[in-house]
Amino acid sequence: EVQLVESGGDLVRPGGSLRLACEVSGLTFSRTWMHWVRQPPGKGLEWVSRIDSDAWSSTYADSVKGRFTISRDNAKNMLYLQMTSLRPDDTALYYCATSPSGEVYLDSWGRGTLVTVSS
Amino acid sequence: QSALTQPASVSGSPGQSITISCTGTNNDVGKYNYVSWYQQHPGNAPKVIIYDVNNRPSGVSNRFSGSKSGNTATLTISGLQAEDEADYYCNSYTTSSTRLFGSGTKVTVL
Repeated sequence: EVQLVESGGDLVRPGGSLRLACEVSGLTFSRTWMHWVRQPPGKGLEWVSRIDSDAWSSTYADSVKGRFTISRDNAKNMLYLQMTSLRPDDTALYYCATSPSGEVYLDSWGRGTLVTVSS
Repeated sequence: QSALTQPASVSGSPGQSITISCTGTNNDVGKYNYVSWYQQHPGNAPKVIIYDVNNRPSGVSNRFSGSKSGNTATLTISGLQAEDEADYYCNSYTTSSTRLFGSGTKVTVL
């Protein structure tokens, strides 16, 4: 069974930084593309970023480009999201999700970790 | 990167069929056959129900089907059931190699 467990969410001041983590089990992590998706309270889904299986390439939504960095450690089956210059509109539940090898869609999701940006 | 356009809400009676549209541009929905649909019940993570426009993952009911014409993709739910009441989101690959979600549609079973 595929399991994704996010952690690292917290209350942070505007302008602050935070690193989220996602532990993945039940699949061959080193062959899986990974994504971060966020959902502000009571609102819709927003795709944030993805990284390929070898960490050779990554892409970002315009709303986070230059502030967020996605990374992974295939030896530890871990995905990360380093977030800097946080703003109140970054407040959201952050999900990590997988894409099967060679596929575009997101097939397995974690339960999310809550990031709140407020003074 | 504006969200793909979906109706805010759609409703139907049990047994009826409903459709949810997802309108994008020539840079996303119209360019690729990489449209997927996600169902999200309150308090739960999203679940993929359609991928690559019209494919169902194993275990997803055949009451869910997808199609695409031009810049608009459509999700059809036939034989509507109470358990289908949820939020639905489309998603498309884009020419920027990013993914773009729709604005979301709340389905209500009357």
